[in-house]
Amino acid sequence: AQRVTQPEKLLSVFKGAPVELKCNYSYSGSPELFWYVQYSRQRLQLLLRHISRESIKGFTADLNKGETSFHLKKPFAQEEDSAMYYCALVNQAGTALIFGKGTTLSVSS
Amino acid sequence: DAGITQSPRHKVTETGTPVTLRCHQTENHRYMYWYRQDPGHGLRLIHYSYGVKDTDKGEVSDGYSVSRSKTEDFLLTLESATSSQTSVYFCAISESGRNGQYFGPGTRLTVT
Repeated sequence: AQRVTQPEKLLSVFKGAPVELKCNYSYSGSPELFWYVQYSRQRLQLLLRHISRESIKGFTADLNKGETSFHLKKPFAQEEDSAMYYCALVNQAGTALIFGKGTTLSVSS
Repeated sequence: DAGITQSPRHKVTETGTPVTLRCHQTENHRYMYWYRQDPGHGLRLIHYSYGVKDTDKGEVSDGYSVSRSKTEDFLLTLESATSSQTSVYFCAISESGRNGQYFGPGTRLTVT
């Protein structure tokens, strides 16, 4: 079965603290994974795709096939990082994305 | 932002009435998607299209229909709106099913 699990509904951290948003997946074969961010009442924006291995806004994510994880990390959180974050997986048919339920990140000073 | 718009942006309607939401793109992307976003459920796929007149069902398609007569437009119809369809609806586009998707601004629908 194809599935994306984001185990935390809410993650609260202080400004300057490290952040790790967890994403685990279930998939047969080589997965293709993304992270999306949604700031308050705005549209979802593509943040990262695992094949590009790039860093956006200081965030990185590494695919760990052994642990079937694609956690999103940032060494020093900023208040403007407060948002909803979604992990997504390309489905087996290659036609659509399967989204996790999202994690709200709250960064306070 | 990719050239993708949704209309209307807000709508209040009564139970039992039909409602049509429109998604319009200027990117000439092949794939178009309709999602609903609800607290505790995240994003759930309603229907998607992989070309003109080519559509398929998603996870929560009951009570919804779609049409795509032109590359740029993808319509979502609630045949007889119910209160459980109160939600925020997002349209998304993609060059292929394996590429990242780009989202519209959303439509907030309230069914009273």
